[in-house]
Amino acid sequence: AQSVAQPEDQVNVAEGNPLTVKCTYSVSGNPYLFWYVQYPNRGLQFLLKYITGDNLVKGSYGFEAEFNKSQTSFHLKKPSALVSDSALYFCAVSGYNAGNNRKLIWGLGTSLAVNP
Amino acid sequence: EAQVTQNPRYLITVTGKKLTVTCSQNMNHEYMSWYRQDPGLGLRQIYYSMNVEATDKGDVPEGYKVSRKEKRNFPLILESPSPNQTSLYFCASSLGTGGEGYEQYFGPGTRLTVT
Repeated sequence: AQSVAQPEDQVNVAEGNPLTVKCTYSVSGNPYLFWYVQYPNRGLQFLLKYITGDNLVKGSYGFEAEFNKSQTSFHLKKPSALVSDSALYFCAVSGYNAGNNRKLIWGLGTSLAVNP
Repeated sequence: EAQVTQNPRYLITVTGKKLTVTCSQNMNHEYMSWYRQDPGLGLRQIYYSMNVEATDKGDVPEGYKVSRKEKRNFPLILESPSPNQTSLYFCASSLGTGGEGYEQYFGPGTRLTVT
C-alpha cells in the first residue's frame, strides 16, 4: 500500500541549531515529493519539491530537503532554526489512485517547536 | 495578488442545515481541490476538479457535493451536515495535480462546527 510516514509527531530544537524533519515513503515508480508548512491559523504554504535532478533541493525561508532514493526518504532540513519556523510541516508524495491516475499522498504532519 | 479565498472563515451550524463554503482563485488554475484536516488524521482530500464541469471524488467524499461551473470557483456543499463533519476545511488550486508535480496554493481555511 502507498504511504507517507512522518515518524515524529513533534520536533523540538533550540534557536540557532540545525533542524531536521523526517519523511519516508512507500510508493511505486519515481515519485514527486513536496514539503508544505502550516503556520497557526493559516493555510498550507508550499516550501519545496523534488521532481528530478540534484538530490538536494533548496526552497523558501532557507529550507532544503534531500531526496534519498535508496532509503526512500525526503528529509527537510535547515542549518539554523528560527523561532518563527515553529509550525506544522507536511510531507507529500505523488502516488496513484484507484483509476491509476497520479494523486498526492500526505503525511500526518510534524509539529516543529523552536525554543528561544 | 495571487490567492485562494474561502468564505466563511468560521461557521457554526446545526445538524441538517444545508451550507455552502465558497472557494475562489485568481490564478487561472485548472486544478482545484477540497481537503479536510482533522487532528491525528492529517489532510484528506474530499473532491477535486481537473477543469470546468470535471469533478471527481477524493478519499472522503461522503456527505459532500461540489460543482465547477466556472474556472475560478469551486464551492463545497454540505446538503445535510452532521457533527462528524466538524473539521477544518481547505480549498487548494494548482496548474495541475500534485501527483504530476505541481505545487498547490491553499486558501486560509474554514473552521466548521456542526452541533
